[in-house]
Order: sequence, then C-alpha cells, then structure tokens
Amino acid sequence: GEDVEQSLFLSVREGDSSVINCTYTDSSSTYLYWYKQEPGAGLQLLTYIFSNMDMKQDQRLTVLLNKKDKHLSLRIADTQTGDSAIYFCAETTRRNRLAFGKGNQVVVIP
Amino acid sequence: EAGVVQSPRYKIIEKKQPVAFWCNPISGHNTLYWYLQNLGQGPELLIRYENEEAVDDSQLPKDRFSAERLKGVDSTLKIQPAELGDSAVYLCASSGRGTNTGELFFGEGSRLTVL
Repeated sequence: GEDVEQSLFLSVREGDSSVINCTYTDSSSTYLYWYKQEPGAGLQLLTYIFSNMDMKQDQRLTVLLNKKDKHLSLRIADTQTGDSAIYFCAETTRRNRLAFGKGNQVVVIP
Repeated sequence: EAGVVQSPRYKIIEKKQPVAFWCNPISGHNTLYWYLQNLGQGPELLIRYENEEAVDDSQLPKDRFSAERLKGVDSTLKIQPAELGDSAVYLCASSGRGTNTGELFFGEGSRLTVL
C-alpha cells in the first residue's frame, strides 16, 4: 500500500522541541522524506533518511526511523516562529512515486 | 538560480469553463511533475514527465485533464471543462538527474477556485 499517515496539529512554545510522527506502509521504500510547506508556498525538502539508517541529525532536525514499526519521526530542537508550517512525510513507493502523508500543522507560540 | 515558476498563482472560473496552468522547471531538470493538493491533504501525483515523455500518467483523469511538455522544458496542464471538485492547488515540481526519487523542487502552486 501507499498510505502514509500523520497526525494533524501540534502547538508548541518557542524554544521548546517539537516532535512530528508519521507511519508508512511500503516497506520497500528506499528513502523517507520530510517536507515543509509554509502558507501559500510550495513544498520544500527539509531532510531525508536512507532506509538502512536509524537516525539522522541535521542541525536542529533529528529524524528517527523504526523500520519494524514503519514509524518515522521528526524532532525540531529549539523551535522558532519560522518553523510554523505544515510538515509532510513522504516515501518512495514500488511504483517509483513519492507518496505524501496528509501533513501535520505546527504552530509555534511566541 | 531561479526556482520552479508557475502561473497563474490564482485563478477563479465558473464551472464548465476551461483553465490552463503553466510551469517552468529549474534549468537542467529533466523530470517534471504535476501534483494536485486538496485542502488539508498532501500532494497527489497527476503526471510525471521524463524530458518530453509522460512516463506516469495513470492518476491523471484523462476525460477532462490533459498535459503537455512539448520541448522537454515548460509544461502546461489543462482542465476542460472544470468541475466544482477541481478546486485545489496544482503544484508543479522538478528534479534533476542523479537525484533520488524524492528530491523534488516545488513551485508555489496555482490555486484554482471553481464557482
């Protein structure tokens, strides 16, 4: 299957950490991705993780991958107001497509 | 370097009217995508081009939607006739050679409202 599931909404105070979760179904996915969409804009690739890795850190971003449970998470450290956006996880599928989840809206409270 | 450029940004039309969206990908990117994004949803692939060839168009509703990328650069997506349910954001994206499948660069989208 190509269903990617995400929870919908997260509110976080500026300076705190945010964690966004995602589950995916296609165990053959080679890469898993996190995209960010700011209001009125297209999607921007934030980071990705290769499927044989458990963790990837990129500045304030930490991606954790649990292949057994098909669970992907994105942790944003020291969340800033510019991090307010919708975050989509995505996986590459057997049909060589990029399948996106429904997105998780993060609202950062100053 | 210019990103993916789409026009128009916004379009309001009455149902049964035609509409067209244009996309100019990043220079040198041979792969071009059109995605549909409904409100509150993630993008869904409509069509993917490798140069001028449509290599994945199985999710394009061909009764009313058409797309072309004649010279392997710019692309146009057309809807004729538009229906109320076509109100959405149409996103264009491109990717270059040597990148993995999911490294896409998106335009800002064309928001369509059908009345």
